Amino acid sequence: AQKVTQAQTEISVVEKEDVTLDCVYETRDTTYYLFWYKQPPSGELVFLIRRNSFDEQNEISGRYSWNFQKSTSSFNFTITASQVVDSAVYFCALSGGLYSSASKIIFGSGTRLSIRP
Amino acid sequence: DAGVIQSPRHEVTEMGQEVTLRCKPISGHDYLFWYRQTMMRGLELLIYFNNNVPIDDSGMPEDRFSAKMPNASFSTLKIQPSEPRDSAVYFCASSSDTGARTEAFFGQGTRLTVV
Repeated sequence: AQKVTQAQTEISVVEKEDVTLDCVYETRDTTYYLFWYKQPPSGELVFLIRRNSFDEQNEISGRYSWNFQKSTSSFNFTITASQVVDSAVYFCALSGGLYSSASKIIFGSGTRLSIRP
Repeated sequence: DAGVIQSPRHEVTEMGQEVTLRCKPISGHDYLFWYRQTMMRGLELLIYFNNNVPIDDSGMPEDRFSAKMPNASFSTLKIQPSEPRDSAVYFCASSSDTGARTEAFFGQGTRLTVV
């Protein structure tokens, strides 16, 4: 079965600190997709990034970076020089292929990130 | 495109009443998902459709819940009869699959309170 684990329930850091959100996944599929979503206090779910299982290249987008390692089944998310506006709940998600319903997107339990001024 | 549109944004109803949540996916998207979010259970996938056909409804909690997608631009999630434990935020999302899995885009959600 597919599973996404975000072991960090809550993280609180002071503004300008770097912070890494962990995500570990389980799947039998050889082809799968990983996602990160942000849910700010307003409640909507905002897509941040998608990564497929064949692309282990790390990605950087401004202050955000993602580290995908198939060997450890992890897809971690780092925010550099955090800002108060980064305060939100962040979800890691997984969708599979052969052994699971195609396009079924499963979410982790989320990590609540609080950035203190 | 206006994005995924859900209505109503908020719904308060009495236990035992029927509740209907509505969703308009992004035009051209062929997948539609219904999720429920609670503090205790997080984001749960209830059901999803592909080309208006239900593909996986294993997440639907019980027979009181039903979902339909009569056409590509409209879906409903119905709870009958509603119970207090159904109180949650219900999200609709849509995506397209053009050979590569794409991300799902979410609506603003419907906050349901059953009293």
